[in-house]
Amino acid sequence: GAGVSQSPRYKVAKRGQDVALRCDPISGHVSLFWYQQALGQGPEFLTYFQNEAQLDKSGLPSDRFFAERPEGSVSTLKIQRTQQEDSAVYLCASSLVWPSGNQPQHFGDGTRLSIL
Amino acid sequence: AQKVTQAQTEISVVEKEDVTLDCVYETRDTTYYLFWYKQPPSGELVFLIRRNSFDEQNEISGRYSWNFQKSTSSFNFTITASQVVDSAVYFCALSEDGGSQGNLIFGKGTKLSVKP
Repeated sequence: GAGVSQSPRYKVAKRGQDVALRCDPISGHVSLFWYQQALGQGPEFLTYFQNEAQLDKSGLPSDRFFAERPEGSVSTLKIQRTQQEDSAVYLCASSLVWPSGNQPQHFGDGTRLSIL
Repeated sequence: AQKVTQAQTEISVVEKEDVTLDCVYETRDTTYYLFWYKQPPSGELVFLIRRNSFDEQNEISGRYSWNFQKSTSSFNFTITASQVVDSAVYFCALSEDGGSQGNLIFGKGTKLSVKP
């Protein structure tokens, strides 16, 4: 596809379950970002990949959050032992080059995660 | 510290009115980039414009225009002759240079409702 693809679109899980969220960036995009967007708020940075290397994970809220991009394309954000405060929309974005400060990031539709 | 403030939480206008969305930013970097994104109800963040800190020329694209003023650290967005399809949440975002990977710092967004 032409854009960033995220799956699933919606995910409902019980507190304590593990979840995995997938991001398929635009083909050839070097940089990949994950953001968390709480209801009524702007997206907040979680982590960044340059190809397969995770260069910044300073935004991950706890060690229950883990992200990988093993082959430099598809990325997975995993949340272990989910808690209610993890409920949010998780957005993935990619951009063509690095450093990407001046590049527009292209976002997917997001995964809306609800923890019961 | 970097920060983006969008003081207007919600704005409601009637179709064909002009509307300006305010954005004020804080950064210590001399090189930085400013962005506007649109988030319709579907959830995807749509890139609208990028501005670098050295280019203060205002820009117009159709009904959209942007006013960048370094002296007041503002990057305001005006929609002329608003239409119902402009209804969305609009985010202003900042990306710093200095070797960073370019993760975006978002404001909290302004929800624009355009009524027929």
